[in-house]
Formats: sequence, C-alpha cells, structure tokens
Amino acid sequence: DTGVSQDPRHKITKRGQNVTFRCDPISEHNRLYWYRQTLGQGPEFLTYFQNEAQLEKSRLLSDRFSAERPKGSFSTLEIQRTEQGDSAMYLCASSSWDTIYFGEGSWLTVV
Amino acid sequence: GNSVTQMEGPVTLSEEAFLTINCTYTATGYPSLFWYVQYPGEGLQLLLKATKADDKGSNKGFEATYRKETTSFHLEKGSVQVSDSAVYFCALSEFYFGSGTKLNVKP
Repeated sequence: DTGVSQDPRHKITKRGQNVTFRCDPISEHNRLYWYRQTLGQGPEFLTYFQNEAQLEKSRLLSDRFSAERPKGSFSTLEIQRTEQGDSAMYLCASSSWDTIYFGEGSWLTVV
Repeated sequence: GNSVTQMEGPVTLSEEAFLTINCTYTATGYPSLFWYVQYPGEGLQLLLKATKADDKGSNKGFEATYRKETTSFHLEKGSVQVSDSAVYFCALSEFYFGSGTKLNVKP
C-alpha cells in the first residue's frame, strides 16, 4: 500500500505526558498537512510543510504542539504536557498539487 | 475570512431518492472547492473537486457546481444507494472544512 500512513493508530496517555505521532506521506508528495478532528466535526487545519519548510501554522497550534519534517519526507507531530482537551483524531495528509490524500488518522485519548 | 458552512445531518433517504447536501462558503480570492467522503471505519477520501467558477466536479454519480454568484457548492446525486451511506465534507482549499453531513440510505 503506498498511501499515507500514520503511527500509532491509537494512543492513550495520561494528562501531562508527551506524545508523538508519525506520518509517512505518499512518496514524492512535497506537501504534508496535519489536522485535528473531533467527533461530529470536520478536520481543523493545524500546519503544513512544503518539503522540509513549515509554511503555515494555525492559531490552534499552541506552543505545546510542534511539528517537524526534517528531510522533507516523513513528519512528526509532538504534543507536550497533554491536556484532556487534546483528545481527538490527528490526521495527516499529503499532496503534490491540489488533491489531498488523507491517512486514516491517529486517535489520541488523554485520561 | 474564509469559511465553509454545510447543512447539518443526519440526512436519511430511501434508496434511489435524490440527494442534495448544501454547502456555502466565504472566501478571499478564488480557491478550489472539494467534497470529501468518509465511509464508516475509513479515512477521508476525495469525492470531487472544482477549481474555478462554473466548473462542475463529478464522480461516482455525484456532482457539484462551483457557483460564485451564490457562493455555493452543493452536492447532488440523482439516485442514492445504500453504499453511499457515509459522512460528506465540503472543503475550501486545503485549509477549511465543513462540519460534515452524515447520510443514511435505507433499502
């Protein structure tokens, strides 16, 4: 399968812990996006990369969130000092033009 | 600013009924518009898109026309099937998504 893959698919963590999600985009896609989705809502844009450069960040991305794409291939999204309000699905997507391909998401539950 | 508003669900239809899911937008510039579908237990996938005013996107019997004068991009299908049961999301560019409309089609 050569789609967008995300890991882990599910994560349960205690409040205050740090978590990291990984996204492997479709090969040769130069754009990579992170979104957050809660039940009954659409994806909310967090940030995106063009190759290794982080070009835009939403105001939703507080200073506890950091994303990297060090070599312009895979990306990581880290959440520090997790809060219960961080419980959501974190979606990754990639594109080479204006068609986005989504991964299946990483579910985060903060207890 | 940019935003997308789509009709709330759930929408429940009988098989072979006509479907309309309304989507309106506010935008600066002329962004592309998209409809995504999320089947139960799966990720979002692109259903159709339109890149400029008056363009019609179509796929799997679904259609939507980019209407600049009414700032709308309504999704339509002439005859729905049980397999169309899913959540549908309207989106403006890569950055702005509607809240989703759940469609239930009964046999």
